Amino acid sequence: AQKITQTQPGMFVQEKEAVTLDCTYDTSDPSYGLFWYKQPSSGEMIFLIYQGSYDQQNATEGRYSLNFQKARKSANLVISASQLGDSAMYFCAMREPNGNTGKLIFGQGTTLQVKP
Amino acid sequence: GAGVSQSPRYKVAKRGQDVALRCDPISGHVSLFWYQQALGQGPEFLTYFQNEAQLDKSGLPSDRFFAERPEGSVSTLKIQRTQQEDSAVYLCASSSGTESNQPQHFGDGTRLSIL
Repeated sequence: AQKITQTQPGMFVQEKEAVTLDCTYDTSDPSYGLFWYKQPSSGEMIFLIYQGSYDQQNATEGRYSLNFQKARKSANLVISASQLGDSAMYFCAMREPNGNTGKLIFGQGTTLQVKP
Repeated sequence: GAGVSQSPRYKVAKRGQDVALRCDPISGHVSLFWYQQALGQGPEFLTYFQNEAQLDKSGLPSDRFFAERPEGSVSTLKIQRTQQEDSAVYLCASSSGTESNQPQHFGDGTRLSIL
């Protein structure tokens, strides 16, 4: 069965520094999609970045980039130049491959706190 | 609307009551998902609709949970005879299709508290 593991329950980072949030996944399917979402304390789930299993390059979206290491089954999120507004819960998720639903399987999340 | 809209934002019910949670997806989005998120945990899949067809309900925890999307747009998640373990945030998400690279866009959720 597919599984997502986020081993860092909580992380601190100084404002303007970079931070890496870890994510490992387990699947036997060759085709899958990986997503990162941000959930502030207000509760909404905000899509940040996507990486496809066949993508040759690591995904980037503004200050967000994904360190995708397929052989190690890891998809770590890198946030550069942290801002106070980055304080939130971050979830890594995998889209169920070859399924009819495309449902997302989420990790347990990492709480990030940015210090001024 | 521009985003996924869920109502009510908060719902408090007594154990044994029935509740109905509403989701209005992004206009034109074919796929609609319901997730349940316990406090401090990641969301867990409940059910999936493609247009009006409920193609996957494998995540519904019991037969007290029922979801519908009769016209392929607005969806309602109903929980009958609520129990305390039903307390959670219920998230609705929609996407424009079923391709694996299409992100799901989430609503703000309904926080359900069962007393």
